[in-house]
Amino acid sequence: QVQLVQSGGEVKKPGASVKVSCKASGFHFNSYGFSWVRQAPGQGLEWMGWISAYTGHTKYVEKFQGRVTMTTDTSTTTAYMELRSLRSDDTAVYYCARDTPRDDFSRGGFDPWGQGTLVTVS
Amino acid sequence: EIMLTQSPATLSLSPGERATLSCRASQSVSYYLAWYQQKPGQAPRLLIYDASNRATGVPARFSGSGSGTDFTLTISSLEPEDFAVYYCQQRSNWPPVTFGGGTKVEIK
Repeated sequence: QVQLVQSGGEVKKPGASVKVSCKASGFHFNSYGFSWVRQAPGQGLEWMGWISAYTGHTKYVEKFQGRVTMTTDTSTTTAYMELRSLRSDDTAVYYCARDTPRDDFSRGGFDPWGQGTLVTVS
Repeated sequence: EIMLTQSPATLSLSPGERATLSCRASQSVSYYLAWYQQKPGQAPRLLIYDASNRATGVPARFSGSGSGTDFTLTISSLEPEDFAVYYCQQRSNWPPVTFGGGTKVEIK
């Protein structure tokens, strides 16, 4: 079945980096993009950015520019999100979600989502 | 950046009742609006995309309507498993993609 399985939780010190993986299965990886969304404890959803496994194009939220890198590995059908210079307010559950492969396309939604990865910065 | 305002913040209803959730955009998003359901400890689940299209496997009691700046998610008759938090999301003229603050549907 279509699913995204993320890597396990991480505990990091301030200033460190974290790299979260998102293994895709059940669909043609190269035909999609992947968005990354985070959720701080007890808070709402915050979109961080997107990468196309089809073109390699990326779009990042301005607040994360310079601190985040999203990549894909088509050989292992895995998407990655690396966040650097971690701060305590980066403590959150990080989700990957399947998305459009095109940056000029606005239709559709995020479906499915990975199970989430808790990153604790302390 | 397009802001989404969801109301009410909390909706207290009984099973079998109708739920009406609102999402208002700070400027037109055309029909590029989606709705998600999130239960405690779980990832969000896509319910509605492009304002009114149900995602695969979503029960017919969930429906979406609206365009431009005003959108509604309706649950025609609440089932016990429907008590959760619901988020709207827009992707018109992205980035960024933005989410509303959420509406919690709780048991009265």
